[in-house]
Amino acid sequence: KAGVTQTPRYLIKTRGQQVTLSCSPISGHRSVSWYQQTPGQGLQFLFEYFSETQRNKGNFPGRFSGRQFSNSRSEMNVSTLELGDSALYLCASRHDRGLTNEQFFGPGTRLTVL
Amino acid sequence: GQSLEQPSEVTAVEGAIVQINCTYQTSGFYGLSWYQQHDGGAPTFLSYNALDGLEETGRFSSFLSRSDSYGYLLLQELQMKDSASYFCAVRGGQGGKLIFGQGTELSVKP
Repeated sequence: KAGVTQTPRYLIKTRGQQVTLSCSPISGHRSVSWYQQTPGQGLQFLFEYFSETQRNKGNFPGRFSGRQFSNSRSEMNVSTLELGDSALYLCASRHDRGLTNEQFFGPGTRLTVL
Repeated sequence: GQSLEQPSEVTAVEGAIVQINCTYQTSGFYGLSWYQQHDGGAPTFLSYNALDGLEETGRFSSFLSRSDSYGYLLLQELQMKDSASYFCAVRGGQGGKLIFGQGTELSVKP
């Protein structure tokens, strides 16, 4: 079974631009979560989607948005990029009926904002 | 809201035992998980505790006390490859979102 894939792996943008990141979950997983990881801040929860609906949301400004498609693939968008948005963005999927709540993470997209 | 606290770093020698503690605050609780992340890699799942007690998986064990809002990860017979960051994570709150602690960087010395 293929793992979680994320594209692109690396991205360089300038302040004010917008960016769209993509995540394909493991086949059969309908829950997709997004996290921002920066040194010293750990993994910050952005949002979770399940069956095309946002089920949970973290404490990020409205510039951060996401969506999920009928095939469970998910995208997140960051508009009006700021220097502080430079981070590793991780996507994770899980089987909603899993006994352990195990989340499977993708390799991440490393975003650099100049 | 939800919050977790764990030590920022721990150092131990090869072959030793190390315990990484985690305390959490959450309204609603569905379980405590542990993840391992090597430098440059993605977090990978280690263990999950929904009920009080000890769960053992090979050299790793995880413990939970719901009354104390506390858990720990125990790593035995440490190996150099265990050098990594370890995150506790709690699923709780409204909607059951999974929130991670800041991570504990474990350095295993020869």
